[in-house]
Amino acid sequence: DTAVSQTPKYLVTQMGNDKSIKCEQNLGHDTMYWYKQDSKKFLKIMFSYNNKELIINETVPNRFSPKSPDKAHLNLHINSLELGDSAVYFCASSQEGPDTQYFGPGTRLTVL
Amino acid sequence: QKEVEQDPGPLSVPEGAIVSLNCTYSNSAFQYFMWYRQYSRKGPELLMYTYSSGNKEDGRFTAQVDKSSKYISLFIRDSQPSDSATYLCVVNMHRWNTGNQFYFGTGTSLTVIP
Repeated sequence: DTAVSQTPKYLVTQMGNDKSIKCEQNLGHDTMYWYKQDSKKFLKIMFSYNNKELIINETVPNRFSPKSPDKAHLNLHINSLELGDSAVYFCASSQEGPDTQYFGPGTRLTVL
Repeated sequence: QKEVEQDPGPLSVPEGAIVSLNCTYSNSAFQYFMWYRQYSRKGPELLMYTYSSGNKEDGRFTAQVDKSSKYISLFIRDSQPSDSATYLCVVNMHRWNTGNQFYFGTGTSLTVIP
């Protein structure tokens, strides 16, 4: 069984479009995260959600908005896509207490 | 100064070699230390997790933490071509009001040559 899943796996789109990436975890975790991995493979935290509340909102453009319909899902909406948004986006989850993170397989976004 | 510093490599070793991967961190408040392995075009997967100074062994992998010098290591014995991946060191600070705060190293790319 897949613990953290993301859809789609690949996303190719034009500049200016709006797109969404979905994430689901079946681990019963309380906190979910979105990361951006650039071409140099560095993972940068974008958001984390705990029980539907935003805990961390790093300095990402407001074109990016996380939406959590329930504890098991955290979707990422991106408006007015730009070339610099091209990257791999990873969803992750963890328990609320001290814990490790479990990552999804990633969504490779290419903006043309 | 970054919270976690990691030599990006790349590191290339012959099959059977002992591999040593290292990171340093800046804040003594970090409590939890992890190593993740990331294969090309895959998500990071947890390899080792520890919260105390000393060694933790799991098969061919040994994680070592020295809190006094803020130094963490991962040793791979009898390295195999299947160990070829990027290895990420991660530290965690858990706070009651903000929860878990993870800080990632840049990753070390390892290639094990048959």
